[in-house]
Amino acid sequence: QVQLVESGGALVKPGGSLRLSCVGSGFTFSEFYMTWLRQAPGKGLEWISYITSSGPAKNYADSVRGRFTISRDNAKNSLFLQMDNLRVDDTAVYYCARPAYVSGLFWGQGTLVTVSS
Amino acid sequence: EIVLTQSPGTLSLSPGERATLSCRASQSVGNTYLAWYQQKPGQAPRLLIYGASDRPQGIPDRFSASGSETDFTLTISSLEPEDFAVYYCQHYDSSPPRYTFGQGTKLEIK
Repeated sequence: QVQLVESGGALVKPGGSLRLSCVGSGFTFSEFYMTWLRQAPGKGLEWISYITSSGPAKNYADSVRGRFTISRDNAKNSLFLQMDNLRVDDTAVYYCARPAYVSGLFWGQGTLVTVSS
Repeated sequence: EIVLTQSPGTLSLSPGERATLSCRASQSVGNTYLAWYQQKPGQAPRLLIYGASDRPQGIPDRFSASGSETDFTLTISSLEPEDFAVYYCQHYDSSPPRYTFGQGTKLEIK
């Protein structure tokens, strides 16, 4: 069955960097665009980035543009999120997700990023 | 940029009762790109509805949804204990690709 597994979450200091990974299985990874979303503690859901199936086109939410970079390695069924210049308000559970049924998303289980001094 | 507003913020009901959740868009979003999710504590969101009214395989038929343009509704016909959770509506915009979420409705046991 379709599975997405994120990793790389950690405690990091403000201004630091972190790289998240997501491995997909149970589907042809290279055929799907992929997204990253996040959820701050006790808060709602926020879309943060998108990458096309082969990787040339990307889009970012204003809150992360210029600090985060999305990429993928289709040979390894992997999606990445490079996060630089992290801020306290970037603290959240980060999810990777795959399109499902046109308008929906299928989500991984998430990985926690905590930005604190 | 489209804003989705969900109401009520919190809904207190008992098992067996009917739940009606609302999602209003700041401008017309059509039907195709509106979805609903259920999220339980410590879990990822689960897709309940896509295309404003269609259920993915495996979603119980007590969940139904309707609406068009700016007003959308998620209905749970008879609440089961496992239905108490937070529900989000979501819009997908393809140009440029981005997803927008409502702030959520918490469905709690009365």
